[in-house]
Amino acid sequence: DGGITQSPKYLFRKEGQNVTLSCEQNLNHDAMYWYRQDPGQGLRLIYYSQIVNDFQKGDIAEGYSVSREKKESFPLTVTSAQKNPTAFYLCSAGNTEAFFGQGTRLTVV
Amino acid sequence: AQSVTQLGSHVSVSEGALVLLRCNYSSSVPPYLFWYVQYPNQGLQLLLKYTTGATLVKGINGFEAEFKKSETSFHLTKPSAHMSDAAEYFCAVRGEGSSYKLIFGSGTRLLVRP
Repeated sequence: DGGITQSPKYLFRKEGQNVTLSCEQNLNHDAMYWYRQDPGQGLRLIYYSQIVNDFQKGDIAEGYSVSREKKESFPLTVTSAQKNPTAFYLCSAGNTEAFFGQGTRLTVV
Repeated sequence: AQSVTQLGSHVSVSEGALVLLRCNYSSSVPPYLFWYVQYPNQGLQLLLKYTTGATLVKGINGFEAEFKKSETSFHLTKPSAHMSDAAEYFCAVRGEGSSYKLIFGSGTRLLVRP
Protein backbone atom coordinates (compact mmCIF):
# COMPACT_ATOMS: atom_id res chain seq x y z
CA ASP A 1 0.00 0.00 0.00
CA GLY A 2 1.56 3.28 -1.04
CA GLY A 3 1.55 6.70 0.48
CA ILE A 4 2.53 8.53 3.61
CA THR A 5 2.60 6.68 6.92
CA GLN A 6 2.58 8.57 10.19
CA SER A 7 3.00 6.92 13.56
CA PRO A 8 1.82 6.78 16.19
CA LYS A 9 -1.74 7.94 15.63
CA TYR A 10 -2.03 9.14 19.24
CA LEU A 11 0.85 10.25 21.44
CA PHE A 12 0.94 11.52 25.00
CA ARG A 13 3.80 13.63 26.31
CA LYS A 14 4.68 14.50 29.85
CA GLU A 15 5.92 17.95 30.72
CA GLY A 16 9.62 18.33 29.89
CA GLN A 17 9.79 15.33 27.59
CA ASN A 18 10.97 15.20 24.02
CA VAL A 19 8.88 13.06 21.69
CA THR A 20 9.46 12.02 18.08
CA LEU A 21 6.77 11.66 15.44
CA SER A 22 7.47 9.36 12.55
CA CYS A 23 6.74 10.05 8.89
CA GLU A 24 7.62 7.59 6.14
CA GLN A 25 6.82 7.75 2.43
CA ASN A 26 7.15 5.34 -0.45
CA LEU A 27 6.14 7.79 -3.17
CA ASN A 28 9.74 8.70 -4.02
CA HIS A 29 9.15 12.42 -3.51
CA ASP A 30 12.10 14.66 -2.75
CA ALA A 31 10.05 17.23 -0.82
CA MET A 32 8.54 16.52 2.59
CA TYR A 33 6.74 18.80 5.04
CA TRP A 34 5.50 18.95 8.62
CA TYR A 35 2.41 20.97 9.54
CA ARG A 36 0.71 21.69 12.82
CA GLN A 37 -3.07 21.98 12.92
CA ASP A 38 -4.99 23.75 15.67
CA PRO A 39 -8.76 24.27 15.67
CA GLY A 40 -9.77 27.25 13.55
CA GLN A 41 -6.23 28.01 12.44
CA GLY A 42 -5.73 25.82 9.43
CA LEU A 43 -2.33 24.28 8.86
CA ARG A 44 0.91 26.00 9.79
CA LEU A 45 4.25 24.92 8.38
CA ILE A 46 6.84 23.74 10.92
CA TYR A 47 9.72 22.43 8.80
CA TYR A 48 10.25 21.25 5.26
CA SER A 49 12.92 19.39 3.35
CA GLN A 50 13.50 19.43 -0.37
CA ILE A 51 16.34 16.93 -0.45
CA VAL A 52 18.12 14.45 1.77
CA ASN A 53 20.34 16.01 4.43
CA ASP A 54 18.80 19.43 3.97
CA PHE A 55 15.82 21.11 5.64
CA GLN A 56 14.46 24.59 6.29
CA LYS A 57 12.42 26.20 9.03
CA GLY A 58 8.82 27.00 8.34
CA ASP A 59 6.66 29.58 10.03
CA ILE A 60 6.56 28.01 13.52
CA ALA A 61 9.82 26.05 13.90
CA GLU A 62 10.62 27.08 17.48
CA GLY A 63 10.54 24.11 19.83
CA TYR A 64 10.76 21.55 17.03
CA SER A 65 13.58 19.75 15.25
CA VAL A 66 13.80 17.44 12.23
CA SER A 67 16.23 15.26 10.34
CA ARG A 68 16.30 13.96 6.79
CA GLU A 69 18.86 11.18 6.62
CA LYS A 70 16.88 9.13 4.12
CA LYS A 71 14.60 10.15 1.28
CA GLU A 72 11.80 8.03 2.71
CA SER A 73 11.87 9.38 6.25
CA PHE A 74 11.33 12.80 7.84
CA PRO A 75 10.87 12.48 11.62
CA LEU A 76 9.77 15.43 13.74
CA THR A 77 10.90 15.87 17.34
CA VAL A 78 8.80 18.00 19.64
CA THR A 79 11.19 19.26 22.27
CA SER A 80 10.56 20.44 25.80
CA ALA A 81 11.09 23.98 24.50
CA GLN A 82 7.73 23.79 22.73
CA LYS A 83 5.44 25.20 25.41
CA ASN A 84 2.13 24.35 23.80
CA PRO A 85 2.60 21.13 21.86
CA THR A 86 -0.93 19.77 22.05
CA ALA A 87 -2.09 19.68 18.43
CA PHE A 88 -2.68 17.51 15.40
CA TYR A 89 0.48 17.03 13.33
CA LEU A 90 0.40 16.29 9.63
CA CYS A 91 3.20 15.16 7.37
CA SER A 92 3.08 15.51 3.61
CA ALA A 93 5.24 14.81 0.58
CA GLY A 94 5.18 15.99 -3.01
CA ASN A 95 6.04 18.86 -5.27
CA THR A 96 3.24 19.70 -7.69
CA GLU A 97 0.70 18.50 -5.17
CA ALA A 98 0.94 17.35 -1.58
CA PHE A 99 0.03 13.88 -0.32
CA PHE A 100 -0.77 13.70 3.37
CA GLY A 101 -0.46 11.11 6.08
CA GLN A 102 -3.26 10.36 8.53
CA GLY A 103 -1.80 12.55 11.24
CA THR A 104 -0.59 12.19 14.82
CA ARG A 105 -2.55 13.71 17.67
CA LEU A 106 -0.18 14.81 20.42
CA THR A 107 -1.49 15.57 23.88
CA VAL A 108 0.42 16.86 26.88
CA VAL A 109 -0.51 15.11 30.12
CA ALA B 1 3.51 37.62 0.49
CA GLN B 2 1.04 35.00 -0.58
CA SER B 3 -2.08 34.33 1.42
CA VAL B 4 -5.39 32.49 1.25
CA THR B 5 -8.68 33.67 2.70
CA GLN B 6 -11.64 31.38 3.14
CA LEU B 7 -14.86 33.22 3.82
CA GLY B 8 -16.97 31.53 6.46
CA SER B 9 -15.54 29.17 9.03
CA HIS B 10 -18.80 27.21 8.95
CA VAL B 11 -21.24 26.68 6.07
CA SER B 12 -24.51 24.81 6.53
CA VAL B 13 -26.59 23.45 3.64
CA SER B 14 -29.48 21.06 3.27
CA GLU B 15 -28.96 17.71 1.63
CA GLY B 16 -29.46 18.16 -2.11
CA ALA B 17 -28.70 21.89 -2.03
CA LEU B 18 -25.86 23.69 -3.79
CA VAL B 19 -22.53 23.78 -1.98
CA LEU B 20 -20.43 26.94 -2.38
CA LEU B 21 -17.22 27.36 -0.41
CA ARG B 22 -15.34 30.58 -1.03
CA CYS B 23 -11.60 31.03 -1.44
CA ASN B 24 -9.64 34.14 -2.36
CA TYR B 25 -5.88 34.23 -2.73
CA SER B 26 -3.09 36.68 -3.20
CA SER B 27 -0.05 35.85 -5.26
CA SER B 28 2.47 37.83 -7.26
CA VAL B 29 3.06 34.90 -9.62
CA PRO B 30 0.61 32.70 -11.54
CA PRO B 31 -0.83 30.55 -8.78
CA TYR B 32 -1.16 26.84 -8.36
CA LEU B 33 -4.37 26.37 -6.35
CA PHE B 34 -5.73 23.40 -4.44
CA TRP B 35 -8.77 22.27 -2.50
CA TYR B 36 -8.37 19.59 0.14
CA VAL B 37 -10.97 17.81 2.29
CA GLN B 38 -10.40 16.56 5.83
CA TYR B 39 -12.62 14.15 7.73
CA PRO B 40 -12.34 14.06 11.55
CA ASN B 41 -8.98 12.84 12.86
CA GLN B 42 -7.71 12.12 9.37
CA GLY B 43 -5.23 13.62 6.97
CA LEU B 44 -6.04 15.82 4.01
CA GLN B 45 -7.23 14.41 0.71
CA LEU B 46 -6.85 16.31 -2.54
CA LEU B 47 -10.18 17.23 -4.13
CA LEU B 48 -8.87 19.14 -7.12
CA LYS B 49 -6.11 21.41 -8.31
CA TYR B 50 -5.53 24.20 -10.79
CA THR B 51 -2.10 24.60 -12.35
CA THR B 52 -2.48 25.93 -15.87
CA GLY B 53 -4.94 25.62 -18.72
CA ALA B 54 -8.69 25.27 -18.31
CA THR B 55 -9.99 27.50 -15.55
CA LEU B 56 -12.87 25.20 -14.61
CA VAL B 57 -11.43 22.26 -12.79
CA LYS B 58 -13.34 19.09 -11.93
CA GLY B 59 -12.41 16.98 -8.97
CA ILE B 60 -13.51 13.94 -7.06
CA ASN B 61 -16.91 13.38 -5.46
CA GLY B 62 -18.65 15.78 -7.89
CA PHE B 63 -16.80 18.91 -6.78
CA GLU B 64 -15.49 21.55 -9.13
CA ALA B 65 -13.81 24.93 -8.84
CA GLU B 66 -13.27 27.85 -11.16
CA PHE B 67 -10.11 29.92 -11.25
CA LYS B 68 -10.96 33.57 -11.79
CA LYS B 69 -7.82 35.64 -12.11
CA SER B 70 -9.63 38.99 -12.22
CA GLU B 71 -11.33 38.19 -8.91
CA THR B 72 -8.36 36.29 -7.41
CA SER B 73 -10.83 33.58 -6.49
CA PHE B 74 -11.02 29.80 -6.58
CA HIS B 75 -14.43 28.94 -5.17
CA LEU B 76 -15.45 25.32 -4.67
CA THR B 77 -18.91 24.15 -5.73
CA LYS B 78 -21.03 21.02 -5.86
CA PRO B 79 -24.52 21.04 -7.36
CA SER B 80 -26.13 18.75 -4.80
CA ALA B 81 -24.83 18.16 -1.27
CA HIS B 82 -24.72 14.69 0.21
CA MET B 83 -24.52 13.82 3.87
CA SER B 84 -21.09 12.31 3.25
CA ASP B 85 -19.78 15.72 2.16
CA ALA B 86 -19.80 16.94 5.76
CA ALA B 87 -16.14 17.65 6.50
CA GLU B 88 -13.62 20.47 6.70
CA TYR B 89 -12.36 21.96 3.46
CA PHE B 90 -9.08 23.77 2.93
CA CYS B 91 -8.03 25.98 0.07
CA ALA B 92 -4.30 26.32 -0.56
CA VAL B 93 -1.89 28.13 -2.86
CA ARG B 94 1.58 26.90 -3.70
CA GLY B 95 4.32 29.12 -2.38
CA GLU B 96 6.52 31.24 -4.58
CA GLY B 97 10.02 30.17 -5.44
CA SER B 98 11.26 26.61 -5.51
CA SER B 99 10.09 25.37 -2.13
CA TYR B 100 6.69 24.02 -3.31
CA LYS B 101 5.31 24.57 0.17
CA LEU B 102 1.57 25.12 0.44
CA ILE B 103 -0.05 28.10 2.13
CA PHE B 104 -3.43 27.14 3.56
CA GLY B 105 -6.56 29.03 4.38
CA SER B 106 -8.05 28.58 7.84
CA GLY B 107 -10.62 26.08 6.59
CA THR B 108 -14.40 25.91 6.22
CA ARG B 109 -16.44 23.30 8.03
CA LEU B 110 -19.33 22.10 5.88
CA LEU B 111 -22.43 20.91 7.71
CA VAL B 112 -25.11 19.04 5.74
CA ARG B 113 -28.62 18.98 7.20
CA PRO B 114 -30.90 16.06 6.39
